[in-house]
Amino acid sequence: AQKITQTQPGMFVQEKEAVTLDCTYDTSDPSYGLFWYKQPSSGEMIFLIYQGSYDQQNATEGRYSLNFQKARKSANLVISASQLGDSAMYFCAMRDPQSSGGYNKLIFGAGTRLAVHP
Amino acid sequence: GAGVSQSPSNKVTEKGKDVELRCDPISGHTALYWYRQRLGQGLEFLIYFQGNSAPDKSGLPSDRFSAERTGESVSTLTIQRTQQEDSAVYLCASSDVLDTQYFGPGTRLTVL
Repeated sequence: AQKITQTQPGMFVQEKEAVTLDCTYDTSDPSYGLFWYKQPSSGEMIFLIYQGSYDQQNATEGRYSLNFQKARKSANLVISASQLGDSAMYFCAMRDPQSSGGYNKLIFGAGTRLAVHP
Repeated sequence: GAGVSQSPSNKVTEKGKDVELRCDPISGHTALYWYRQRLGQGLEFLIYFQGNSAPDKSGLPSDRFSAERTGESVSTLTIQRTQQEDSAVYLCASSDVLDTQYFGPGTRLTVL
């Protein structure tokens, strides 16, 4: 069965430093997609970055990059130059490849709470 | 443009009452999803609607939960005879053919 594991319940980082949030996944399907979402205290889930299993390069979006290591089944999120506003819960998710029709449901990890200190 | 909206933002109800939660997806998005997030946990998939196809109801936890969607617009999630374990944030998301799901702000349900 598909599964997402986030082993860090909480992380701390100093403002302006980089931080890596870990995510490992388990699937036997060769075609899958990986997502990272940010959930601030307001509760809304904010899409950050996407990596497809066949993408040759690691995805990047501004200060966010995804360290995709396919053989190790890991998709770690790297946030560079942390800002106070980055303090939030971060969820890694995988598109469930067993869903049909192209509009696949997401399987989420338990999340990592990031605290950015001044 | 406008994002996904949900109403109400908060709902407090008594055990045994029925509740209805509403989701307005992003205009033009053919797929709509409902998830549940219990306190301190990740999201659990409940149901999704895709265009005119039959919905995927595989995540609904019991027959007290049901959802409807009118065409490619508004969806309502109904929980009948609410129980205390139903207390959670209910999140709605929509997507277009590019697959990325965009979430609404959620409805926080508290069952007393």
